[in-house]
This record gives sequence, structure tokens and C-alpha cells, in this order.
Amino acid sequence: GAVVSQHPSRVICKSGTSVKIECRSLDFQATTMFWYRQFPKQSLMLMATSNEGSKATYEQGVEKDKFLINHASLTLSTLTVTSAHPEDSSFYICSATFSGGAAFTYEQYFGPGTRLTVT
Amino acid sequence: LAKTTQPISMDSYEGQEVNITCSHNNIATNDYITWYQQFPSQGPRFIIQGYKTKVTNEVASLFIPADRKSSTLSLPRVSLSDTAVYYCLVGEGSGNTGKLIFGQGTTLQVKP
Repeated sequence: GAVVSQHPSRVICKSGTSVKIECRSLDFQATTMFWYRQFPKQSLMLMATSNEGSKATYEQGVEKDKFLINHASLTLSTLTVTSAHPEDSSFYICSATFSGGAAFTYEQYFGPGTRLTVT
Repeated sequence: LAKTTQPISMDSYEGQEVNITCSHNNIATNDYITWYQQFPSQGPRFIIQGYKTKVTNEVASLFIPADRKSSTLSLPRVSLSDTAVYYCLVGEGSGNTGKLIFGQGTTLQVKP
């Protein structure tokens, strides 16, 4: 259980175009979804936190107008990279979470990632 | 959020037990300690989570001392397929954001 999917797994786009990446929780309702970016040989960098029906909360230094996040339902969040440039080329990973049974336990379930290449 | 510190890399051989220690001196009362494994070009995979003392599952054990300022992930009898990056994270519990901040992780190289 607790499977998260991402689509597409790979995408190549031209500079200046926009790309949408979908993140779905397949067998649970995700109260919160997170978006990360990972450059080669580096760790994951949290970009934003989104709750269903609310505006996303972006981490410092992440342009909210460039990385549009929509969390329209408890099973779907989308990340749109607008006016993509080569420096936006990266591995984008989403995760989803829900409150566990105990008071303070939770776990994030990660998607398989989306490799974005901007030419 | 509590910052974590772990060794950048470790080497081991097949069949050995591997222990990776993580420091989190500023861990908060609400924080759980979670370890993830990541293979290249894949999303992280949950390994184990704990709050205090010892937790064991089918793939690993997690040892947490009473002061909770560190934790040790123990992988019994590693194989080549355990070569990966291992991340130690401390995160806010339910009722908060559940946000996780990844450190640099430990790259484990298992040799034949």
C-alpha cells in the first residue's frame, strides 16, 4: 500500500515552454504533498508543501510564479514549470503523507521522480 | 527544523553489518527520526522510523539513545544491492507540517 506515482517519468522540452508534472497517491488520501528537486550528485531540496484545497507554501528562494503547484484533490497534485530554461533541468520528486494512528507518527511516501530536460 | 549530520560515505563488504550514525542535537519533542534509502534516478524509499529506544523491521534496526540526539541505522548482512544513499531525517509530527529537510546523506558502497 501507500503508492505514489508520477507522470511523466521523463520529459524533454524546449526553452520557454511550460511543463506539467503530475503526482498521484494511488491507494490513500494524501493530506499533504511535497515537491522536491534534486540535481545530480546532490541531496533532495524541498521546493514547496501543498495541502488539498489550499495555496502551496514555498521554501525560501523558490519562485512561486515559476513553479506553479495545484493540489485540487486528496489524490492529485501538479507541478507546472513555467517558461522553462536549461537551468530548470533536474529530477523532480513528489511525496505524499497522511497522519498516522499515533500522535506524532507520520511517513512520507515518495514518487519515482520525473527527469526534466530543457533544451 | 532539526539539522542532521551523518558521514558522507561508507564502504562495506557483502555479508557485513553496517551501522550508520546520525547526529541531531536539536531534535524537538515532537520529532520522529526517519531513514530513507535512495537509488540513482529513483525516489527515496522508506526504511524505518522511530521515536526512542530500538525499532526493528524486516530490513533494518534503528537504535535511539535516551537523549535522542543521535540515532544509528543498522543494516544486517548487506548485499551489493544495498549500495545506495541513506538519509537520516527528523521531522515534525502530525498536527504540524510534516516537513522533512534532507541533509547530504551517506553514500554506502557495498563491495563484493
